[in-house]
Amino acid sequence: GAVVSQHPSRVICKSGTSVKIECRSLDFQATTMFWYRQFPKKSLMLMATSNEGSKATYEQGVEKDKFLINHASLTLSTLTVTSAHPEDSSFYICSAAEDLYSNQPQHFGDGTRLSIL
Amino acid sequence: AQKITQTQPGMFVQEKEAVTLDCTYDTSDPSYGLFWYKQPSSGEMIFLIYQGSYDQQNATEGRYSLNFQKARKSANLVISASQLGDSAMYFCAMRERNTDKLIFGTGTRLQVFP
Repeated sequence: GAVVSQHPSRVICKSGTSVKIECRSLDFQATTMFWYRQFPKKSLMLMATSNEGSKATYEQGVEKDKFLINHASLTLSTLTVTSAHPEDSSFYICSAAEDLYSNQPQHFGDGTRLSIL
Repeated sequence: AQKITQTQPGMFVQEKEAVTLDCTYDTSDPSYGLFWYKQPSSGEMIFLIYQGSYDQQNATEGRYSLNFQKARKSANLVISASQLGDSAMYFCAMRERNTDKLIFGTGTRLQVFP
C-alpha cells in the first residue's frame, strides 16, 4: 500500500539550530502534502499545506518564516524549523494522499520528535 | 466553531468486549469524508476506517465498524472483540469536499484491560 516516509524520527539539538525534516511519498506522487504539529496528549494541529511547485499555505497563527516548507518534487516535502528554540519542541508529522478527493485516506509518516535544549 | 468533537477523553474496556468511541462533526458541505485513525504510544498514525457522506451503508473493516448517523452528524467507531493491542489514542477526522484539509478531533485514549 501507499507509504509515507519521514526522516529523521528524532532530533535533539541546541537552541538556535535549524532543523530540516523530510517527508517522502514512496510509491505514489503527491502534489499536496500536509504538516502537523502535536503537543503531548493533544490532537494533531494542521500547520500548513505543502504544494508542489508553489508556495505553502499556512494555517492562521503559524509563522511562515519560522517553519519553512519546500515541496520541490512530487515525492518530497521538507519542513525546516529555523533558529529553533525550546518552545518549538514537539512532535511533527507529515501526511499525503494519492487522491485528495476520494475515499483514499491520508497516509502519515511516522513523525519526528524534536527536542530543543 | 469546533468541527470535530470527541467528548470522551478516555475509555476503558475489558478484553474481548466491544467499545464505542464517539465522534460528532459540524459541516455545511454536503460532500465530506470521515476517517478514524489509531495512534499508539510510538506516535504513528494508523488509518482504520473511512465513511463517505453519500455512502448508504455503514463502513466496516474487520473488527472496526462505523455507526454513521448523518442526520445527527455522528460517526462513532465501534471496536468489537477488543484486544490488548487496541490500547491507543483514537482520532476522528473530517475532510470536506471544498477543502483538502483533514481536521482532527481531540482524541480518545482507549485502554483495554485483561
